[in-house]
Amino acid sequence: EAGVAQSPRYKIIEKRQSVAFWCNPISGHATLYWYQQILGQGPKLLIQFQNNGVVDDSQLPKDRFSAERLKGVDSTLKIQPAKLEDSAVYLCASSLAEATTEAFFGQGTRLTVV
Amino acid sequence: GENVEQHPSTLSVQEGDSAVIKCTYSDSASNYFPWYKQELGKGPQLIIDIRSNVGEKKDQRIAVTLNKTAKHFSLHITETQPEDSAVYFCAATFSGGSYIPTFGRGTSLIVHP
Repeated sequence: EAGVAQSPRYKIIEKRQSVAFWCNPISGHATLYWYQQILGQGPKLLIQFQNNGVVDDSQLPKDRFSAERLKGVDSTLKIQPAKLEDSAVYLCASSLAEATTEAFFGQGTRLTVV
Repeated sequence: GENVEQHPSTLSVQEGDSAVIKCTYSDSASNYFPWYKQELGKGPQLIIDIRSNVGEKKDQRIAVTLNKTAKHFSLHITETQPEDSAVYFCAATFSGGSYIPTFGRGTSLIVHP
């Protein structure tokens, strides 16, 4: 079974630039999550999708972050404009259903904002 | 919202020793508690989980215990091996409706050969 695919693996941008991350979840997984993991901390949920609908985005900084999951499969997370404090690993995860089923994580995208 | 505290932040043991990582949670509505292992450069991987209707669960060298009254749960690794070295995260969440899975800050486990 293929895992959660994310790209790119690494990205370096200057502050105020924009960046986009892509995630392809495990086939058949209805729930998709985007997490932000700052160095030395646990993952923090940014947004949760159930199919192509948003379940929770209360921790997403909506003035600069946006995410979509067209057709309920792939998802993109965008930051515009980026700030220095956005430097982190952005993890995508998927699960068959809601929060209490096993979530499978991708390898993440390491973003460095300089 | 939920708040998860995890201790210790770093744990160093000798190969063959046991390791224990403890977490506490704040929201009594939480009913699912997964533990993840994260190796360098990789995403977290589920190693064991426990639901609120169970007090203990074991899988080979790994066990998790849950005390709902005290709102704490622990990960126990016996006969540690160097390949157990990684960062371990606990999490707490709730089934049904919109609920944010909340992670602890992680424990860096180092197993010395």
